[in-house]
Amino acid sequence: ETVLTQSPATLSLSPGESATLSCRASQSVDRYLAWYQQKPGQPPRLLIYEASNRATGIPARFSGSGSGTDFTLTISSLEPEDSAVYYCQQRRNWPPLTFGGGTKVEIK
Amino acid sequence: QVQLQESGPGLVKPSETLSLTCSVSGASISDYYWTWIRQPAGKGLEWIGRIYSSGDTRYNPSLHSRVTMSVDVFNKQVSLRLTSVTAADTAIYYCARGLGSTWDHNWFDPWGQGTLVTVSS
Repeated sequence: ETVLTQSPATLSLSPGESATLSCRASQSVDRYLAWYQQKPGQPPRLLIYEASNRATGIPARFSGSGSGTDFTLTISSLEPEDSAVYYCQQRRNWPPLTFGGGTKVEIK
Repeated sequence: QVQLQESGPGLVKPSETLSLTCSVSGASISDYYWTWIRQPAGKGLEWIGRIYSSGDTRYNPSLHSRVTMSVDVFNKQVSLRLTSVTAADTAIYYCARGLGSTWDHNWFDPWGQGTLVTVSS
């Protein structure tokens, strides 16, 4: 099973700042990695797939990069509504499909 | 706009079977993959398995012996059965559709709102 480790666990930033979230895989997942955003009481929402492709309707301030075992989600110019937990997910080595443990982004 | 709605008992007794249904509206159920994912309160996401509209299934090896998924194309429903439940199966259960029907079917969009299932006597 491919384990995805996300860091940091929590990120506290001010509006307008940039957030950098990391996802590290226990083995290569090529570019087969996605990012999801989950707000309290809501299901996750797909942000990025295949490491860097934005899903439909996702603002350009969300961007993804990386390949192999190291990936980054960048949220530029944070807005209050970006407060959420962010999860990465891989589809390279399955079953099972696996998710990271999440990074909580707090907006001060 | 496709919408997914999970339904089923909110309380299941230990050792019994959890049964959930995902009702799909706004789109055909055919030619897509449908996935179940669960999330214990305050914790991360666990992939349970997926089913294609033809009935082809793949399950999480950790749950394989207890999981069965089925699809009813006519009624636009996807079902999940999980047998011999314990307290560890207490979670919000989500159904989700694959983003596409080929290489992209293991990205999930959209998702249902989820349904909380508690395992307790």
